[in-house]
Amino acid sequence: GENVEQHPSTLSVQEGDSAVIKCTYSDSASNYFPWYKQELGKGPQLIIDIRSNVGEKKDQRIAVTLNKTAKHFSLHITETQPEDSAVYFCAASRLNDMRFGAGTRLTVKP
Amino acid sequence: NAGVTQTPKFQVLKTGQSMTLQCAQDMNHNSMYWYRQDPGMGLRLIYYSASEGTTDKGEVPNGYNVSRLNKREFSLRLESAAPSQTSVYFCASSEFVLGNEKLFFGSGTQLSVL
Repeated sequence: GENVEQHPSTLSVQEGDSAVIKCTYSDSASNYFPWYKQELGKGPQLIIDIRSNVGEKKDQRIAVTLNKTAKHFSLHITETQPEDSAVYFCAASRLNDMRFGAGTRLTVKP
Repeated sequence: NAGVTQTPKFQVLKTGQSMTLQCAQDMNHNSMYWYRQDPGMGLRLIYYSASEGTTDKGEVPNGYNVSRLNKREFSLRLESAAPSQTSVYFCASSEFVLGNEKLFFGSGTQLSVL
């Protein structure tokens, strides 16, 4: 089955800096790559996703890039704010099979 | 809309005890899922139900059973709890079975098995 690796496991940045989280996947048939944000005591919530026919997608301060050849994708958060502090999960999916990365704990220091 | 509601939020069991985790969604979604979340391992799929009346094993099904009671409700049962089942459990739903679409998660059940 699919294997998703996520790095780093923890990330600390100053407010206003950018944060980048990277994921690699193993199954070339995967065609959907969502990112979820999990705040303390809550369930994960989708923040952005990208499909295999697109190389980049932006939504305000967050963006995701996908390199299908290298089988990796990344989450970019610009102008970080304290409310961005959370655990972020990447995932790779093909029909009937979605696998998650182990998560990245992002801390944004005021 | 409440979205996905899970009960209970916390539970402590002794080894060998049984319990059922309840999940309900009010979004008229066809598909529902149970995940477990362990430190350093992300979210792993236990069982899913693509539609009412069907259930399928996920990545880590051993020690669990599920019931899709109706379109709204999907329960997870531990028949004889083991310490290895200490985890945070999340129920999720989506309009169609796992694929290229958004999952809606509940707020989780923290389970400790002593």
